[in-house]
Amino acid sequence: GEDVEQSLFLSVREGDSSVINCTYTDSSSTYLYWYKQEPGAGLQLLTYIFSNMDMKQDQRLTVLLNKKDKHLSLRIADTQTGDSAIYFCAEIPIYNQGGKLIFGQGTELSVKP
Amino acid sequence: GAVVSQHPSWVICKSGTSVKIECRSLDFQATTMFWYRQFPKQSLMLMATSNEGSKATYEQGVEKDKFLINHASLTLSTLTVTSAHPEDSSFYICSAQIQELYGYTFGSGTRLTIV
Repeated sequence: GEDVEQSLFLSVREGDSSVINCTYTDSSSTYLYWYKQEPGAGLQLLTYIFSNMDMKQDQRLTVLLNKKDKHLSLRIADTQTGDSAIYFCAEIPIYNQGGKLIFGQGTELSVKP
Repeated sequence: GAVVSQHPSWVICKSGTSVKIECRSLDFQATTMFWYRQFPKQSLMLMATSNEGSKATYEQGVEKDKFLINHASLTLSTLTVTSAHPEDSSFYICSAQIQELYGYTFGSGTRLTIV
């Protein structure tokens, strides 16, 4: 079955790097995504990675994909207080009719000054 | 680009009333929209998939008569919570697929409170 798991909380100090981890069970996933949700708001697409890639970097964000271990991570360099939010990883399994996103539980990132 | 506008952002209603939530794709056509429900500190729960010009596909356990979805045009999908009760209070979010970005763009969400 489809399952995406994340740790629920992460606390870091401003200026440090944050690493948010995600594991998934479906090896046929085509695209994997990271979304950010601030309090009371919708989801903002941060970045995505294709399943045939190992790494993707976009400014302060680095996504690593380990297909063998079915592990996805999001590294935020020089974490700022404005990065405090809930981060969701999500996947679209290749066989998923209609392209429905499968979300993890979300990781709440707390950045302390 | 690729913005989904969701309204209202919050609404408080008395028990028994019906509430309509709108999602509009502003600069692209959304053949398919997804409606989610989110409880505090929890992930998004997919309620239904809304297809333009056809009936919505509901997830198991979601009452289609309770949550009416209409997708009459390529830019507008609506969710109506009929005869709402306090247990329907939640955060509702819509999303549409962005073909070009291989991703999904989300509305800003609607905080529904039934008193």
